[in-house]
Amino acid sequence: SQTIHQWPATLVQPVGSPLSLECTVEGTSNPNLYWYRQAAGRGLQLLFYSVGIGQISSEVPQNLSASRPQDRQFILSSKKLLLSDSGFYLCAWSRSVHSPLHFGNGTRLTVT
Amino acid sequence: QQQVKQSPQSLIVQKGGISIINCAYENTAFDYFPWYQQFPGKGPALLIAIRPDVSEKKEGRFTISFNKSAKQFSLHIMDSQPGDSATYFCAARPNFGNEKLTFGTGTRLTIIP
Repeated sequence: SQTIHQWPATLVQPVGSPLSLECTVEGTSNPNLYWYRQAAGRGLQLLFYSVGIGQISSEVPQNLSASRPQDRQFILSSKKLLLSDSGFYLCAWSRSVHSPLHFGNGTRLTVT
Repeated sequence: QQQVKQSPQSLIVQKGGISIINCAYENTAFDYFPWYQQFPGKGPALLIAIRPDVSEKKEGRFTISFNKSAKQFSLHIMDSQPGDSATYFCAARPNFGNEKLTFGTGTRLTIIP
């Protein structure tokens, strides 16, 4: 069966510090990978998605970037965090764009 | 046109009652409508999904009702239990092209004894 791992579960970082959140998927190959941000009362906002190694599409211009160095690894990064980057970040995968979406357990990021 | 409007924002239901969450959409190209359930501190999990060729889909105590002409769909939780307390998201997407899921803003459901 397929599993998705996301870490860390919680993170507190000062403004201006870098960020690296990692997500890996097991049990499948060439998955579509996604990064979402969840803000209270605003639902799930798609930040980035990837259909293959090195292929990243950005949905929302912002202070964040994503990379996919390996088939089942997806990384969310920032060079300098802003207060507004605080939130709950979710990684997700699907077999294809038309397949069900499966989420990890998220990272609660607090920028202080 | 890509929006999915979800209501209510929060809902309190007595144990054993029926919980009803509603969603509406504008994009007539949408033809896949999933519901996700999220517990605190966890990621959303797919609960049940429907395509517009049927008006209702039932899985256990959870039922999706779909009204294509009104462009609305709803989640009904029968015999609601405290363990159903969670945030529920509806979503929609077309079944062609490269379109991603569009999510509603979520409903926080609380089941009280």
